[in-house]
Amino acid sequence: GQQLNQSPQSMFIQEGEDVSMNCTSSSIFNTWLWYKQDPGEGPVLLIALYKAGELTSNGRLTAQFGITRKDSFLNISASIPSDVGIYFCAGTYKYIFGTGTRLKVLA
Amino acid sequence: NAGVTQTPKFRILKIGQSMTLQCTQDMNHNYMYWYRQDPGMGLKLIYYSVGAGITDKGEVPNGYNVSRSTTEDFPLRLELAAPSQTSVYFCASSYGSGYEQYFGPGTRLTVT
Repeated sequence: GQQLNQSPQSMFIQEGEDVSMNCTSSSIFNTWLWYKQDPGEGPVLLIALYKAGELTSNGRLTAQFGITRKDSFLNISASIPSDVGIYFCAGTYKYIFGTGTRLKVLA
Repeated sequence: NAGVTQTPKFRILKIGQSMTLQCTQDMNHNYMYWYRQDPGMGLKLIYYSVGAGITDKGEVPNGYNVSRSTTEDFPLRLELAAPSQTSVYFCASSYGSGYEQYFGPGTRLTVT
C-alpha cells in the first residue's frame, strides 16, 4: 500500500536553530499537507501545498512541494521551545499520514 | 462553533465488549474520517465518508464499523474489543478531498 516515510524520526535541537525535515512517497500526490501535533491533542494544519514546485511560508515555517510530486520538505527557522511536538506530512490520496518527526527544542 | 467533538475522552473496555465512539462536526463538512494512533506512531485511516450514507474502508478497517446517517455525525463501532485495538482514536472532517482536515481531541481507548 501507500507509504509516507518521514525523516528524521526525531531530533533534538537548540533554541534558535533552524530545522529541516522531509517526507517521501512511493507514489505521486496532488496535495501535500503538513500538520503539527501537541501532546494529548489532535493534529493541526500548518501548511498546505497544491502544486509541484510550490514553496509556501507560514511565519517561521516554509514548506515545498517536490518537483517529482513524490516528496515534500518542511523547514522551521529560529526554533523556539513551543515548536516541540510531532510533525506529520499527509497526502490526500487515501488520506495517508507519514510516520512523524518528533522535535524537541532545548532552551 | 465547536468544530469536531468526540466522546468519550477516555474508556477502558474488557476483551469482547463493544462500544461506540461518537464524533460530531458543526462545520457542514462533507468528508469525515476515523484514524487510530498507536503509541509513538503515525495516524492510520480506519474508515472515511464522503457524505451522508456513503462510507469506505481505509487502511485498517478490520474490527470496526461505521455509519453516516447525517452530515454531522460519524460514529465508530467496535463490536468485539481486542487488546490490539488499544489506541488513541481521532475523528476528523474536511470540506472535501484535498482540503484541510480538522481533528477532534481524540478518544483514548484501553482494552484489557
